Amino acid sequence: SAVISQKPSRDICQRGTSLTIQCQVDSQVTMMFWYRQQPGQSLTLIATANQGSEATYESGFVIDKFPISRPNLTFSTLTVSNMSPEDSSIYLCSVGTGGLTDTQYFGPGTRLTVL
Amino acid sequence: AQKITQTQPGMFVQEKEAVTLDCTYDTSDQSYGLFWYKQPSSGEMIFLIYQGSYDEQNATEGRYSLNFQKARKSANLVISASQLGDSAMYFCAMRGPEGANNLFFGTGTRLTVIP
Repeated sequence: SAVISQKPSRDICQRGTSLTIQCQVDSQVTMMFWYRQQPGQSLTLIATANQGSEATYESGFVIDKFPISRPNLTFSTLTVSNMSPEDSSIYLCSVGTGGLTDTQYFGPGTRLTVL
Repeated sequence: AQKITQTQPGMFVQEKEAVTLDCTYDTSDQSYGLFWYKQPSSGEMIFLIYQGSYDEQNATEGRYSLNFQKARKSANLVISASQLGDSAMYFCAMRGPEGANNLFFGTGTRLTVIP
């Protein structure tokens, strides 16, 4: 399985600021996703990061709030913009090769607290 | 649309005993995949086991096995010989509708292993 790293591992931010989270994979992968896990909740997909084109966002998530870049097949960033305390969550990137039997592997997550 | 239901918010098991974590699902897809992930307190999501809808045998991975009952739409995780390190949240997940590559997650079960 791919080795996935995320930076930062955790951060405490002030409301109104923005934070960019990086996801790095040690091999080229077809699919990259960003998920959010609010405190005590399950994971919710934010968007699919598409290499060389705009990300595909799920209902309830917009590009102005969560801009995503994916310049190549091993790297992606998620920015949480104009943060509020409701954005306090664990943000996880995951990768896969696509297809019905594909297993998705997750990065270690970024634990964000917004004051 | 996909739906994953985990009805056990919390479970306790004695060390060295076996435990079953329940998961039921609903989908209109003919072909689908089911996954189980473990999330320790550190927040990372660890892939445990995968079951394809057309797999004739139940999946097994070391101490983990999946009790797949297609007619009942259930995919229960069985952990044998529980260890203290098994204490964590466990999430059942399935791929998005019509073969979409993202995952839908259940609400999770918190497992506590008692020494």
